[in-house]
Amino acid sequence: EIVLTQSPATLSLSPGERATLSCRASQSVSSYLAWYQQKPGQAPRLLIYDASNRATGIPARFSGSGSGTDFTLTISSLEPEDFAVYYCQQRSNWPPRMYTFGQGTKLEIK
Amino acid sequence: QLQLQESGPGLVKPSETLSLTCTVSGGSISSSSYYWGWIRQPPGKGLEWIGSIYYSGSTYYNPSLKSRVTISVDTSKNQFSLKLSSVTAADTAVYYCARHVYGDYDYWGQGTLVTVSS
Repeated sequence: EIVLTQSPATLSLSPGERATLSCRASQSVSSYLAWYQQKPGQAPRLLIYDASNRATGIPARFSGSGSGTDFTLTISSLEPEDFAVYYCQQRSNWPPRMYTFGQGTKLEIK
Repeated sequence: QLQLQESGPGLVKPSETLSLTCTVSGGSISSSSYYWGWIRQPPGKGLEWIGSIYYSGSTYYNPSLKSRVTISVDTSKNQFSLKLSSVTAADTAVYYCARHVYGDYDYWGQGTLVTVSS
């Protein structure tokens, strides 16, 4: 099973600052990595797929990078609505097909 | 606009079977482009993928839950369902249904809390 480790667990920043979130895979997932945002009481929302592609309707301040085992989600200038929990997720589509999530990074207002 | 809605009992007794249904509206579950899946989230914790199904009935499951999970589809009702047997308190979670394309979940239901307790 591929394990995803996100860091830091909590990130305290102010609006307008740049946020950098990390996700490391226990083995290569190629570019098959997605990022989700989850706010309290809501379902997750897909932000980034295939490591660097923004999902429909996602603002340009969100960007993803990386391949293999190391990935980064960057929010260029934090808006108040960006404070949430962020999860990375890998999709292993060769046998056995399996999807796993990281444990999450909480982005909180400083 | 595609919408997914989970339904089912909010309370299940230990050792019994948890059963949930996801109703899809605003689009067809029989679309050849998409898979449909279940993900859960214990209170205050992270996300866990449970399993997925294609409209043809082809399924694949999380190996850690595979012995207890069955996902099925009813294309006539535009629904898919989850059954999780022999539940314990560890299965208490918010259960989400969602659509995905090769594992990227782009539409989600609002989630439903299922508590396992006697």
